[in-house]
Amino acid sequence: AQSVAQPEDQVNVAEGNPLTVKCTYSVSGNPYLFWYVQYPNRGLQFLLKYITGDNLVKGSYGFEAEFNKSQTSFHLKKPSALVSDSALYFCAVRDGAAGNKLTFGGGTRVLVKP
Amino acid sequence: DTGVSQNPRHKITKRGQNVTFRCDPISEHNRLYWYRQTLGQGPEFLTYFQNEAQLEKSRLLSDRFSAERPKGSFSTLEIQRTEQGDSAMYLCASNHGETNTGELFFGEGSRLTVL
Repeated sequence: AQSVAQPEDQVNVAEGNPLTVKCTYSVSGNPYLFWYVQYPNRGLQFLLKYITGDNLVKGSYGFEAEFNKSQTSFHLKKPSALVSDSALYFCAVRDGAAGNKLTFGGGTRVLVKP
Repeated sequence: DTGVSQNPRHKITKRGQNVTFRCDPISEHNRLYWYRQTLGQGPEFLTYFQNEAQLEKSRLLSDRFSAERPKGSFSTLEIQRTEQGDSAMYLCASNHGETNTGELFFGEGSRLTVL
């Protein structure tokens, strides 16, 4: 079975400071990893993914994430947070090429204060 | 590409009533997924279709829930004899199983409130 853990319910950061949202995963095969963002009363928007290759992947809105196989982590980062980045962030995993569905973490609420 | 469309966006019903949600996926996508999301939680997988075939169902999908995708295009999710615990956001997503590396494209969701 595959699973995702997001250990922080909420992350508070001042505008302009770096932002990190943590994610660890468990999967039997090679992980396909994803980050999504959700604004109030909206669906999920895809930010970025790791399938293979370079451990640092870049995505939308200046976000990036680093895959660490030994620590089974895929933390989301942004060098300089904006107030508009305040939202709910979800990490998700799929069990490699054979997997058929994404399993999501519980989400982390990010609050960026001006 | 108009994205994934879900209707209705909001539904308020009384306990015991039946409700049906519709999802229109991105037109070239052959896979369609239903997820349920309760307040403050991550989406939980319910079921998915490849074309018209329902290939997997979660234990969360009780006998009161049924999903169909009769022509491999739009899908419906019906909940019979609704209970207050069914109150949630029902999310639909789609992708192309063979050419896509796994990311799902989500609709805006259908929020159900059972009184």
